[in-house]
Amino acid sequence: NAGVMQNPRHLVRRRGQEARLRCSPMKGHSHVYWYRQLPEEGLKFMVYLQKENIIDESGMPKERFSAEFPKEGPSILRIQQVVRGDSAAYFCASSSTTGALYEQYFGPGTRLTVT
Amino acid sequence: GENVEQHPSTLSVQEGDSAVIKCTYSDSASNYFPWYKQELGKRPQLIIDIRSNVGEKKDQRIAVTLNKTAKHFSLHITETQPEDSAVYFCAASEYTGNQFYFGTGTSLTVIP
Repeated sequence: NAGVMQNPRHLVRRRGQEARLRCSPMKGHSHVYWYRQLPEEGLKFMVYLQKENIIDESGMPKERFSAEFPKEGPSILRIQQVVRGDSAAYFCASSSTTGALYEQYFGPGTRLTVT
Repeated sequence: GENVEQHPSTLSVQEGDSAVIKCTYSDSASNYFPWYKQELGKRPQLIIDIRSNVGEKKDQRIAVTLNKTAKHFSLHITETQPEDSAVYFCAASEYTGNQFYFGTGTSLTVIP
């Protein structure tokens, strides 16, 4: 049973480019969460999605950031016109709709570097 | 919203000693408290969790205690080993499907 998958693991973008980060939840999980971790800091919630629905985006910056979780395929976090301050590790986590409802399992993260 | 504070930010212990990390939370509606271990460059991994209907939970060398009245919970690691060295994060959540509010992390170093 594969865990949460994220790709790419490392992403380098120049200022002004777009970054697309992908997350495939664990099998059987339909809840996806995105978190951002700045160097030597904790994890900050960005957005919570279920299939085709954004449930809570209270942690998302108002501009340049968007997220989706389509009916088919992975969840995508999209950052437009990246700036140096976007450099961070972006983790997604998934949780189940049955059983251990509370537990969130994290992917390996995408480390975004903006040059 | 919820605010989770975590102390200490760094902790060094001799191998074999115990380590204790403490967290406080502000929202009395929070009812789920997981702990994650994150090794350098790796993903956060769930090591233990506790729900608000329980005061203590133990799993081998790791235990977590919860005081709902005081709104604090703690991670206890006994007989520490060098492989316990990592950053540990506490978190609080209100209900299933809700976001986790994380503490700022504790960097634990176990000295052989």
